[in-house]
Amino acid sequence: RKEVEQDPGPFNVPEGATVAFNCTYSNSASQSFFWYRQDCRKEPKLLMSVYSSGNEDGRFTAQLNRASQYISLLIRDSKLSDSATYLCVVRGYNKLIFGAGTRLAVHP
Amino acid sequence: GAGVSQSPSNKVTEKGKDVELRCDPISGHTALYWYRQSLGQGLEFLIYFQGNSAPDKSGLPSDRFSAERTGGSVSTLTIQRTQQEDSAVYLCASSPDFLGGHFGPGTRLTVL
Repeated sequence: RKEVEQDPGPFNVPEGATVAFNCTYSNSASQSFFWYRQDCRKEPKLLMSVYSSGNEDGRFTAQLNRASQYISLLIRDSKLSDSATYLCVVRGYNKLIFGAGTRLAVHP
Repeated sequence: GAGVSQSPSNKVTEKGKDVELRCDPISGHTALYWYRQSLGQGLEFLIYFQGNSAPDKSGLPSDRFSAERTGGSVSTLTIQRTQQEDSAVYLCASSPDFLGGHFGPGTRLTVL
């Protein structure tokens, strides 16, 4: 079983749609959680950290459920510029462990 | 500079040659990571440095790969006797303690 699992997608949604990505992780001792965004042929960029209480940054809302070892990212009012691969990232004892990513394509 | 920098941005080498890839982390960041990403694939962890602790080398794919971090700052990833399967983008990231990492633009390595 992979340490961090994501649905690869692609998710094809129209502009203005709300889309949600989910991620599960296997190590219950994981300490920190993040969502990254990666555009084609670019490096990953930190989108937001994820906290148990849930956190919001504009159109983006992240949630962590430690009991279920589950992380989510909700994007409201999708823009064309949101098209990218979204990476779920878990910090274990030493390293950042990346999921394989979920591809999002927002169309007009 | 404001971000993580890596050099060279592109490297083409012949099979069997050695290569050195450099990473300059964000000043003050204690943690430094190396990952690689093959075309269309996810990120593969290679090595992690945290302050003065012994590095976590558990992701290095073979003994041809080594890395060092001098003075807690600049890091060099060395690949000896390169093979075609080493072709990938090598990404470096740095972070303050246990927060998320900030990536450099990567070095695209092509082994002919």
